[in-house]
Amino acid sequence: GAGVSQSPSNKVTEKGKDVELRCDPISGHTALYWYRQSLGQGLEFLIYFQGNSAPDKSGLPSDRFSAERTGGSVSTLTIQRTQQEDSAVYLCASSPGLGPITQYFGPGTRLTVL
Amino acid sequence: GESVGLHLPTLSVQEGDNSIINCAYSNSASDYFIWYKQESGKGPQFIIDIRSNMDKRQGQRVTVLLNKTVKHLSLQIAATQPGDSAVYFCAENLHSGGGADGLTFGKGTHLIIQP
Repeated sequence: GAGVSQSPSNKVTEKGKDVELRCDPISGHTALYWYRQSLGQGLEFLIYFQGNSAPDKSGLPSDRFSAERTGGSVSTLTIQRTQQEDSAVYLCASSPGLGPITQYFGPGTRLTVL
Repeated sequence: GESVGLHLPTLSVQEGDNSIINCAYSNSASDYFIWYKQESGKGPQFIIDIRSNMDKRQGQRVTVLLNKTVKHLSLQIAATQPGDSAVYFCAENLHSGGGADGLTFGKGTHLIIQP
């Protein structure tokens, strides 16, 4: 079956521009997660959704970062006024629910801010 | 700081040998642990998981051991193959209900399989 998909796979942008990253979770998965992975580093948790609701946004690095999810499916992560330190791979994962349940990851979007 | 960490950043083993990747965690309340494998240019791929009420779980060629006394997690890969070369992450989940529900990852161990 189809896994988690993300688009674009690569994004190169200029400092100060806004970018939008998209995640399509596995069909039927109610929970969706965003992570960031810097070069050679582990994954940094950003935000999660249960349905369309994001109960805790404290993991977002700054107020330039926002995320939304509509229809309990597709999610977008928006970064406004991008900075060079935003360069990373942004990974999305989904799971059938919250808690101790395996999260399935997409291939990620590699963001490069020049 | 991170509550999950790894002892060795790189591990090199001969093809056919067994490998052991170790992980320490600091949050004794964590109730679920997962090992992920990440190949270059791909997202993390689930390998095996274990709940805090277990101390061992076996999969195909992989075994995860959990020692809650010393807060230590390990991944054993038997008869390693070239396709096992990847970065391996351990992750923990603390389902707090009202707070962040993501996984906390360590930095990863790069496993290199020598021919």
